[in-house]
Amino acid sequence: EAQVTQNPRYLITVTGKKLTVTCSQNMNHEYMSWYRQDPGLGLRQIYYSMNVEVTDKGDVPEGYKVSRKEKRNFPLILESPSPNQTSLYFCASGGGADTQYFGPGTRLTVL
Amino acid sequence: GQSLEQPSEVTAVEGAIVQINCTYQTSGFYGLSWYQQHDGGAPTFLSYNGLDGLEETGRFSSFLSRSDSYGYLLLQELQMKDSASYFCAVRFSGTYKYIFGTGTRLKVLA
Repeated sequence: EAQVTQNPRYLITVTGKKLTVTCSQNMNHEYMSWYRQDPGLGLRQIYYSMNVEVTDKGDVPEGYKVSRKEKRNFPLILESPSPNQTSLYFCASGGGADTQYFGPGTRLTVL
Repeated sequence: GQSLEQPSEVTAVEGAIVQINCTYQTSGFYGLSWYQQHDGGAPTFLSYNGLDGLEETGRFSSFLSRSDSYGYLLLQELQMKDSASYFCAVRFSGTYKYIFGTGTRLKVLA
């Protein structure tokens, strides 16, 4: 089954404790991206990647890091999380025609 | 700045037709996409307009007019399962940078 998977689905952590949210897709897509979703603000793009070792900033990259060492994986790293990064995070991949396939989401709470 | 504006909420009855508008203050993009998101779920792709005009996919149609900086999603024969949030989105030319509208919550009443 074609899908985008994210782990963990829920995470509660404390300020400053480094964390990684994993994202994997099995559709051989070149494009992958991370978004955060906050009430009233819609989806905002954090980072995107067009291929292995090729990443670029989206609208809200501050406080986040990404890497693309393999085509199927695109982890999101928060090296020193803060409470304003409490949000719902979605990973997405796309193969063309501007169609994005989203993962199930990761709900992150930073205390 | 660059933004996509949508009404925050729309209510309609089962069987009706509803139009969700998306007006934008941006330029240099490839086309307009639409996504549906049910409560607690992930966004799912509905439609894409690369060119001006109407695209039809079953009960859903989408329209784009670049000259008017405007697009819309049209949902016909509304069903209860259409109750969800709907987002428009654009990708900027030469990049894979996307912006999304703030979303429209559609409530379908019996």
